[in-house]
Amino acid sequence: NAGVTQTPKFQVLKTGQSMTLQCAQDMNHNSMYWYRQDPGMGLRLIYYSASEGTTDKGEVPNGYNVSRLNKREFSLRLESAAPSQTSVYFCASSEMGGEAFFGQGTRLTVV
Amino acid sequence: KNQVEQSPQSLIILEGKNCTLQCNYTVSPFSNLRWYKQDTGRGPVSLTIMTFSENTKSNGRYTATLDADTKQSSLHITASQLSDSASYICVVTGTYKYIFGTGTRLKVLA
Repeated sequence: NAGVTQTPKFQVLKTGQSMTLQCAQDMNHNSMYWYRQDPGMGLRLIYYSASEGTTDKGEVPNGYNVSRLNKREFSLRLESAAPSQTSVYFCASSEMGGEAFFGQGTRLTVV
Repeated sequence: KNQVEQSPQSLIILEGKNCTLQCNYTVSPFSNLRWYKQDTGRGPVSLTIMTFSENTKSNGRYTATLDADTKQSSLHITASQLSDSASYICVVTGTYKYIFGTGTRLKVLA
């Protein structure tokens, strides 16, 4: 009963490098989300996918891209990492408006 | 603007004591309100959900209240335990969107 699984858990990147954060859920949810969490701030929505085949920008989409690979998987890509993207990233899934279930988070540091 | 504000930002209490966390929101339309607990280094986990018609809901030692008229909610923790040390996040669901508060960081001391 894994719920929402994110990989990796920790990552250090150099400025300008690229990487993809992976997320998979096994609850058959239609909606999936990517958030970032910074000290003193609430979770901020980067991108979301209301259903398979659709993606939409959230509050802070600049510098990120996403792919809803199938119903289970939703990945977040940083094309050219910047120090401002140092954060903890959370993937979540839900039925629309229902309880959001979160992954364990990815702690990303960009140096 | 849709906003969720929580107070206090942080709180330190002794084990066994009670505490109350506050949440004020200006989200419209309102669908429901949830309190999440986030342990250090983990993702948030839902504690309770409150819909428009509900005033009080309990989950063990956690009791949430909702006043939809004043747009306020509280989370009361009874007989605190060391394991209650965490951040507590108020989340209001609007039209298919979650609006997150910044959280209250609770520290329970032995």
